[in-house]
Amino acid sequence: KAGVTQTPRYLIKTRGQQVTLSCSPISGHRSVSWYQQTPGQGLQFLFEYFSETQRNKGNFPGRFSGRQFSNSRSEMNVSTLELGDSALYLCASSLTSGGGGQDTQYFGPGTRLTVL
Amino acid sequence: GQQLNQSPQSMFIQEGEDVSMNCTSSSIFNTWLWYKQDPGEGPVLLIALYKAGELTSNGRLTAQFGITRKDSFLNISASIPSDVGIYFCAGIIYNQGGKLIFGQGTELSVKP
Repeated sequence: KAGVTQTPRYLIKTRGQQVTLSCSPISGHRSVSWYQQTPGQGLQFLFEYFSETQRNKGNFPGRFSGRQFSNSRSEMNVSTLELGDSALYLCASSLTSGGGGQDTQYFGPGTRLTVL
Repeated sequence: GQQLNQSPQSMFIQEGEDVSMNCTSSSIFNTWLWYKQDPGEGPVLLIALYKAGELTSNGRLTAQFGITRKDSFLNISASIPSDVGIYFCAGIIYNQGGKLIFGQGTELSVKP
């Protein structure tokens, strides 16, 4: 079974631009979560989507948004990029967001975003 | 907010030695997960724990879900050079599935 895939793997943008990142979950997984990883803040939860609905949201400004499609693929968008948005953006998928092991998350390789 | 305290932050060990790291929190967790991350890659799941007191092994790795549900540890026995990397604990709080809370990571270096 193919793992979680993320595209693109690397991106370079300038301040003020916007960017869209894509994530394809493991086949059959319906929950997709996004995380930002930086050396200073570590891994921080952005948001989670399940059945095309945002179920949970972290403490990030409204410039960070996402969506999920009917095939469970997800995109996240960052508008008006700032230097501090430079990070590794990770997507993770799970069967559901319920308990009992169905919420165990598997990560993709990430998208490295550099904002100049 | 919820936070996981992971220790130690880094370890420098000799090949063949055993390693132990742990995570603690003031919050109660429903699930504990341990991941390993190599540079430039996403975290890879090592062990998943779902019940208080559960002890689970994966090869040379053993992890336990603390009885209080507020802590977990990971042991690596007989370390080898490919164990090098950053190990993260992560927890899920009841009814917050989809949101992992991560520890700060333990960077492991293994000297051949």
